[in-house]
Amino acid sequence: NAGVMQNPRHLVRRRGQEARLRCSPMKGHSHVYWYRQLPEEGLKFMVYLQKENIIDESGMPKERFSAEFPKEGPSILRIQQVVRGDSAAYFCASSPYVDEKLFFGSGTQLSVL
Amino acid sequence: GQQLNQSPQSMFIQEGEDVSMNCTSSSIFNTWLWYKQDPGEGPVLLIALYKAGELTSNGRLTAQFGITRKDSFLNISASIPSDVGIYFCAGQSATAGNKLTFGGGTRVLVKP
Repeated sequence: NAGVMQNPRHLVRRRGQEARLRCSPMKGHSHVYWYRQLPEEGLKFMVYLQKENIIDESGMPKERFSAEFPKEGPSILRIQQVVRGDSAAYFCASSPYVDEKLFFGSGTQLSVL
Repeated sequence: GQQLNQSPQSMFIQEGEDVSMNCTSSSIFNTWLWYKQDPGEGPVLLIALYKAGELTSNGRLTAQFGITRKDSFLNISASIPSDVGIYFCAGQSATAGNKLTFGGGTRVLVKP
């Protein structure tokens, strides 16, 4: 049973470009969470999705950031018009039920030049 | 919002030593989780605690869910070099939509 798969592992973008980060949850998991981690810091919650629905986006900036988890395919975290401050590691986690423990992917390291 | 204070921020270990770290919060959590993160990787779950007072072991790791539900500690016994890494506590609360709130991490390093 494959774990949570994230791609790409590393993504380099220039300021103003768009970044798309993908996450395929573990098989059978319908709950997906996105977290952001800055160097030397803990993970900060961004958004929680359950198939086709955004349940909680309280940690996601209102501008430029969006997330989706379609019926078919991976969850996507999209950052439009990236700025240098968006540089961070973005982690996706999944769980089978709402109050079950989370399993994390290896992350996408976004670097904005 | 909810905040977790994790201490110490960093520590040096010598092989064979026992180490301890803890997390405290002003909020109540119904689940405490401990993760380890290696460089360039995502956090890996070590131990999950679901009941106040619960004491759970996983090999050389032992963690406890505080009685007040506002704290937890993690002990590593007889440390070995591969214990080096960053350890995070995380609390999960139904009132916060079950999303995890992470502590700032404890960086475990080997004594030179």
